[in-house]
Amino acid sequence: ETGVTQSPTHLIKTRGQQVTLRCSSQSGHNTVSWYQQALGQGPQFIFQYYREEENGRGNFPPRFSGLQFPNYSSELNVNALELDDSALYLCASRDLGNYGYTFGSGTRLTVV
Amino acid sequence: ELKVEQNPLFLSMQEGKNYTIYCNYSTTSDRLYWYRQDPGKSLESLFVLLSNGAVKQEGRLMASLDTKARLSTLHITAAVHDLSATYFCAVDMNSNYQLIWGAGTKLIIKP
Repeated sequence: ETGVTQSPTHLIKTRGQQVTLRCSSQSGHNTVSWYQQALGQGPQFIFQYYREEENGRGNFPPRFSGLQFPNYSSELNVNALELDDSALYLCASRDLGNYGYTFGSGTRLTVV
Repeated sequence: ELKVEQNPLFLSMQEGKNYTIYCNYSTTSDRLYWYRQDPGKSLESLFVLLSNGAVKQEGRLMASLDTKARLSTLHITAAVHDLSATYFCAVDMNSNYQLIWGAGTKLIIKP
C-alpha cells in the first residue's frame, strides 16, 4: 500500500486553463519529485523539491511550477494548458537515507 | 545529456521461459532503479542498485548492474503470466535523485 496519495485521480481541462495537482507524502519524506508520463512512454522529470525549495528541474517551461509545504504535501501547477500536457502526472517522495522513491497513483490529466 | 535506452521495447514470451531486458545509459551514474507498471497504474519499485557488480533478486526477477559498461539487466526466470507488465529502468542524474527513465519494456507472458 503506497504512502503517497494524489488528487484528483482524473481531470479534464480546456486548452488555456490552469490546473493544480496535489500530492500528500508520508511524514518524514522531505524530498518530492514530479514526473509527467505520456501514454506509452517513460516518465519525464519535471522538478524536485527538498525542504520546500526547488532543487532540480527538468526540461519543462516555466508555466510548470510547484510548491512543497511543511506538512509534506506538495502541488504541481500548470498554466496555459496545451493539448500536449495531456498525460499521467506522478508524484514521488523519498525519505532521508532511503535511495528509493515511492510513487503515488497519479493524476490523469486530459486537455481538450 | 544523460540518455537511457532499454531493449527490447516489446517482448512476448511463453510461460516457463527465461529472458533478459537490457538497460544502457550514456553517462556515469551510481544508482539505477527498476520499476514495474501495470496498465493504468502507478510505478512499483522492484530494485535499487547502488554499486558496480550489485545483484539483487526477488522471486523470478534478478537485476544486476555493471557501471563500467553502463549496463543493467533484468533477468526473468521461468516466467509466469503474473509478470506481464511494463518494466522501466531509471538512472539517477547527477546523484541528485532526479531520475532519467528508459522508454519501458512491455512484457507479455502467454499461458
